Amino acid sequence: NAGVTQTPKFQVLKTGQSMTLQCAQDMNHNSMYWYRQDPGMGLRLIYYSASEGTTDKGEVPNGYNVSRLNKREFSLRLESAAPSQTSVYFCATRAGLNSGELFFGEGSRLTVL
Amino acid sequence: GIQVEQSPPDLILQEGANSTLRCNFSDSVNNLQWFHQNPWGQLINLFYIPSGTKQNGRLSATTVATERYSLLYISSSQTTDSGVYFCAVDYNQGGKLIFGQGTELSVKP
Repeated sequence: NAGVTQTPKFQVLKTGQSMTLQCAQDMNHNSMYWYRQDPGMGLRLIYYSASEGTTDKGEVPNGYNVSRLNKREFSLRLESAAPSQTSVYFCATRAGLNSGELFFGEGSRLTVL
Repeated sequence: GIQVEQSPPDLILQEGANSTLRCNFSDSVNNLQWFHQNPWGQLINLFYIPSGTKQNGRLSATTVATERYSLLYISSSQTTDSGVYFCAVDYNQGGKLIFGQGTELSVKP
């Protein structure tokens, strides 16, 4: 029972390159989230998916796209990475739309040069 | 959008001391959660507490939704309590969960 698994854990990109962060959960949860964490900024919501087949913008969606591939998987794509996207990215899940404890993955550290 | 403010931003304690962390929010919320991020970056859910009081060992939390705040109490602090404490709120029916900026706690031996 792995919980919430993120890959990769570390990545270095050059400006303009693209990449996808993967998140998979085995908790049978409906809602999935992507956050970024920057020093002094707390965690900011990028996108979320209340259920399979739906996605919505969070606080800082610009420069990102997401796909809810199925109930288990929620990916975050950077089409053209910028240095401002250097951050630690966290995936999280919970059982319900407006309820339930939030469970986090271990994070993915991304550096854009 | 909703504003979520945590205080104090930083706190240094001697081992054994007690502390209170506060989370204020600017609008009505559906529920509130407290998290601990340890020095290795892991985020652990401490309390799911839309209202009332809950206790778990040395930690307890109280949310007064009508007055738009929540408190996290840490008693007899230990060095392993060090890290950053976040509160997060659901403030609409759409599933957005918004975090405060955190309180960084350092417990000295």
